[in-house]
Amino acid sequence: ELKVEQNPLFLSMQEGKNYTIYCNYSTTSDRLYWYRQDPGKSLESLFVLLSNGAVKQEGRLMASLDTKARLSTLHITAAVHDLSATYFCAVDSGNTPLVFGKGTRLSVIA
Amino acid sequence: EAQVTQNPRYLITVTGKKLTVTCSQNMNHEYMSWYRQDPGLGLRQIYYSMNVEVTDKGDVPEGYKVSRKEKRNFPLILESPSPNQTSLYFCASSYSDSYEQYFGPGTRLTVT
Repeated sequence: ELKVEQNPLFLSMQEGKNYTIYCNYSTTSDRLYWYRQDPGKSLESLFVLLSNGAVKQEGRLMASLDTKARLSTLHITAAVHDLSATYFCAVDSGNTPLVFGKGTRLSVIA
Repeated sequence: EAQVTQNPRYLITVTGKKLTVTCSQNMNHEYMSWYRQDPGLGLRQIYYSMNVEVTDKGDVPEGYKVSRKEKRNFPLILESPSPNQTSLYFCASSYSDSYEQYFGPGTRLTVT
């Protein structure tokens, strides 16, 4: 059974600081997705990572995938208030439905 | 505008009264799916469809039905809703199961 764990589940960080959110998964997969959800809103796709070593960047967010370690990271650089949201990773092992992590609720404070 | 639409957005109903939540996408996507989101449990997939007339169970299919008669529509049917189906429901679509999914705005369902 595919399990996806995100750490931390809650993150309060100061503006301007850097931090990393971790997504670990339990079975072989080379397809991983990151989504953002604002309170009361739907999910918005951030990154699609389809191979080992994949790295994608958009603004202050950078995502990477290490399929050997079964680990993806979402790195936040110089956080700003607008990044406050809940971030989900989701893993597709090919044989099972897409499995989401429980989400990381990020709060960026001045 | 490319989008996934869901109706209704909010629904309060009683136990046992059949209901349908519609989902429609205008992007000619082949893959569509339904999720429910519950506090502390994240998103869990209910059903998905790889193409017209092709559907399969997700992680939590009990108590739900779906159909895919047309490419653009993927309704979620609750034949006999129960209070444990109170949740926030999202429909999503993508070109295939290996592409990013586009999510609808969500349907908040309360079953009393």
